[in-house]
Amino acid sequence: QVQLVQSGAEVKKPGASVKVSCKASGYAFANYGVTWVRQAPGQGLERMGWISAYNGNTDYAQKFQGRVTMTTDTSTSTAYMELRSLRSDDTAIYYCARDVPVIAVAIFDYWGQGTLVTVSS
Amino acid sequence: DVVLTQSPLSLPVTLGQPASVSCRSSERLVHSNGNIYLSWFQQRPGQSPRRLIYTVSDRDTGVPDRFSGSGSGTDFTLKISRVEAEDVGVYYCMQGTHWPPTFGQGTKLEIK
Repeated sequence: QVQLVQSGAEVKKPGASVKVSCKASGYAFANYGVTWVRQAPGQGLERMGWISAYNGNTDYAQKFQGRVTMTTDTSTSTAYMELRSLRSDDTAIYYCARDVPVIAVAIFDYWGQGTLVTVSS
Repeated sequence: DVVLTQSPLSLPVTLGQPASVSCRSSERLVHSNGNIYLSWFQQRPGQSPRRLIYTVSDRDTGVPDRFSGSGSGTDFTLKISRVEAEDVGVYYCMQGTHWPPTFGQGTKLEIK
């Protein structure tokens, strides 16, 4: 069965960076992409961006351009999302979701369990 | 980007009664291939989002048949025929037709 297992909770100070991992199993990782979505406390879902595990192409939401880097390691079927220059309003649960391998139509058919990132001095 | 507007934002429902959530898009969601990539997600308290419905009306595996989706063009609806206690949570619509994909604001379903 398809599973996306994310890394554990993180506590970071303002200005630091965080790197969240998302390990996939149960499907051919390189045939899909991964989208990262975050959810601030009590808020809705916010798309951060997408990466293709097929060819490494990325598409970042404008809000995060310059501050986020998404990568994949096909040898371990793992996707990574690094967010830099953290601020208190980056405190949120970060989710990975399986997506399409090329920019076409989005699917989000399977989701990770989420990683809580807390930014606090 | 395409804007999805959900209503209502809060939905108190009596157990066993039907419930309906509307999702209106700022653009038509018909893809050039003829499909409409409008999905619905359920997020129970403390859980990750789970996709319930894709391409307007197709239910994902394991989703009870009391959930149904309908709509066309710019107006879409998620219906629950008889609400059960496990249906409590927030429901989001999402369009995947136009890049980038976008979500509605969410509708919180609670039991009266």
